Amino acid sequence: DADVTQTPRNRITKTGKRIMLECSQTKGHDRMYWYRQDPGLGLQLIYYSFDVKDINKGEISDGYSVSRQAQAKFSLSLESAIPNQTALYFCATGSENEQFFGPGTRLTVL
Amino acid sequence: LAKTTQPISMDSYEGQEVNITCSHNNIATNDYITWYQQFPSQGPRFIIQGYKTKVTNEVASLFIPADRKSSTLSLPRVSLSDTAVYYCLVGDYWDSGTYKYIFGTGTRLKVLA
Repeated sequence: DADVTQTPRNRITKTGKRIMLECSQTKGHDRMYWYRQDPGLGLQLIYYSFDVKDINKGEISDGYSVSRQAQAKFSLSLESAIPNQTALYFCATGSENEQFFGPGTRLTVL
Repeated sequence: LAKTTQPISMDSYEGQEVNITCSHNNIATNDYITWYQQFPSQGPRFIIQGYKTKVTNEVASLFIPADRKSSTLSLPRVSLSDTAVYYCLVGDYWDSGTYKYIFGTGTRLKVLA
């Protein structure tokens, strides 16, 4: 079984819809992260959480929110999706100096 | 801010050694240097990490000079399957003092037959 799983793997939605991306990990790490990647570009940090009660904004948190339901679960929500949020979204977990990434969720906002 | 600078792209041939250099002039005393590999439509994968001098594992070597303002990832005898984007990361801080990684645009390595 994969250490970091993301659901859904692909999603097409319409402008203005609310959507949630879910992430689960079995690595046992406290730290979890959400990134987005646009075509041909690097990863940008959206939010990160160092433990269940800790939530921190990353570089591009506007338009996103997160929930850390448990040590192993970290979900990302788009309250009102817009087309420029079309991207590949990655969840990660790990220690301070090494991160393990999930397979990604490809989100398209029409 | 410990921003990193890497070449945008590199080409190599199978069997050659590839060296990718990363500049990080403002690296902080406690920062480690970490390299990741990313294949298309997959999440990045940890390759190697170091603090100073040289680190070697089964996949790559990492060379870090004494001033730590740059680092070089060395991939011995690359194959077509090493075609990927390679990211160099160091710890970084926002103005608020909150720790985070910065993934830049990376180096797109293309290995040719």
